[in-house]
Amino acid sequence: QVQLVQSGAEVKKPGASVKVSCKASGFPFSEYYMHWVRQAPGQGLEWIGIVNPSGSSTGYAQNFQGRVTMTRDRSTSTAYMELSSLRSDDTAVYYCARGFYYMDVWGKGTTVIVSS
Amino acid sequence: EIVLTQSPGTLSLSPGERATLSCRASQRVSSGYLAWYQQTPGQAPRLLIYGASNRATGIPDRFSGSGSGTDFTLTISRLEPEDFAVYYCHQYGSSPRTFGQGTKLEIK
Repeated sequence: QVQLVQSGAEVKKPGASVKVSCKASGFPFSEYYMHWVRQAPGQGLEWIGIVNPSGSSTGYAQNFQGRVTMTRDRSTSTAYMELSSLRSDDTAVYYCARGFYYMDVWGKGTTVIVSS
Repeated sequence: EIVLTQSPGTLSLSPGERATLSCRASQRVSSGYLAWYQQTPGQAPRLLIYGASNRATGIPDRFSGSGSGTDFTLTISRLEPEDFAVYYCHQYGSSPRTFGQGTKLEIK
């Protein structure tokens, strides 16, 4: 079935980087854009950015410009989101989601905790 | 950036009642590119409505969306116990994509 399986929880220190993966199955990964969205504890959804099907083009929210990199590997049908210079307020659940416009399939989320 | 404001923040209703959730945009949402998602505790969001009024695959017909321009509405005609959740609107007509802050639908 169509699904996105994300990597496991991470605990990082301030200033470190984290790389979250999102493995797709059940659909032609190379034909779909992928989004990343995060949700801080008890808060709403925040759009981070999008990567095109080939991985050649990305678009990031201004809040994350310079700190985020989205990539993808067609050979393994996996998308990646790397966030650097982590701060305590980056503690959140990070979701990948399929789609160019609306997001119709979501991963279950990856918890990232930033703590000294 | 288009700011989406949802109201009310919390809606308290009983099963069987009708729910009306509002999403107002700070600028016109082009081409009606507005979606609604449902999120239950500990779960990922689930797409309900796209293009302002189109139900996603597998979504019951008690869910309906309407609106255009800057004002959009999600209506749940008769609430079922599983409908009590948080609902988010999302515009994808311009970058950056943005979400509303959410409406919590709770059991009265």
